[in-house]
Amino acid sequence: KAGVTQTPRYLIKTRGQQVTLSCSPISGHRSVSWYQQTPGQGLQFLFEYFSETQRNKGNFPGRFSGRQFSNSRSEMNVSTLELGDSALYLCASSFTSGRSNEQFFGPGTRLTVL
Amino acid sequence: AQSVTQPDIHITVSEGASLELRCNYSYGATPYLFWYVQSPGQGLQLLLKYFSGDTLVQGIKGFEAEFKRSQSSFNLRKPSVHWSDAAEYFCAVVPLGGDDKIIFGKGTRLHILP
Repeated sequence: KAGVTQTPRYLIKTRGQQVTLSCSPISGHRSVSWYQQTPGQGLQFLFEYFSETQRNKGNFPGRFSGRQFSNSRSEMNVSTLELGDSALYLCASSFTSGRSNEQFFGPGTRLTVL
Repeated sequence: AQSVTQPDIHITVSEGASLELRCNYSYGATPYLFWYVQSPGQGLQLLLKYFSGDTLVQGIKGFEAEFKRSQSSFNLRKPSVHWSDAAEYFCAVVPLGGDDKIIFGKGTRLHILP
């Protein structure tokens, strides 16, 4: 069974631009969560989608948004990029939603904002 | 404030030596507890988890963790480390009675001496 895939793996943008990252979960998984990883703040939860609905959201500004499609694939979008948005963005999928479900992580998308 | 603390940012051990990585949490009720490992350029992989029951939890790759309620700790151990264990290790919690958001510690980077 293929793992979680994220595209692109690397991305360079400039301040003020917007970016869209994509995540394909493991086949059969319906929950997708997104995380931001930076050296200073560590791993922070962005949001979770389950059955095309946002189930949970972390403490990030409205510039960060996401969506999930009927095939469970998910995208996250960051508008009006800031230097501080440079980070590794990780996607994780699980069979269903809920705290006890094991999450499987993708390799991440490394975003650099210049 | 509620938090997850990994006191050691870096730990260096010799190959074949034993390992203990510390994790402390501050929540009123015992949360769900997890340990993840992240190898360079990779996403996170779940090593083990604790929800309830036996306080000594066995995980993958020869790791185990012990939950100690009196110390609010969930330390990760391995009797004999291998060079391939060099990675970053994250303790994480999902507080009970909350909104199911997972909270990660800042991580401990493990270095292995040959």
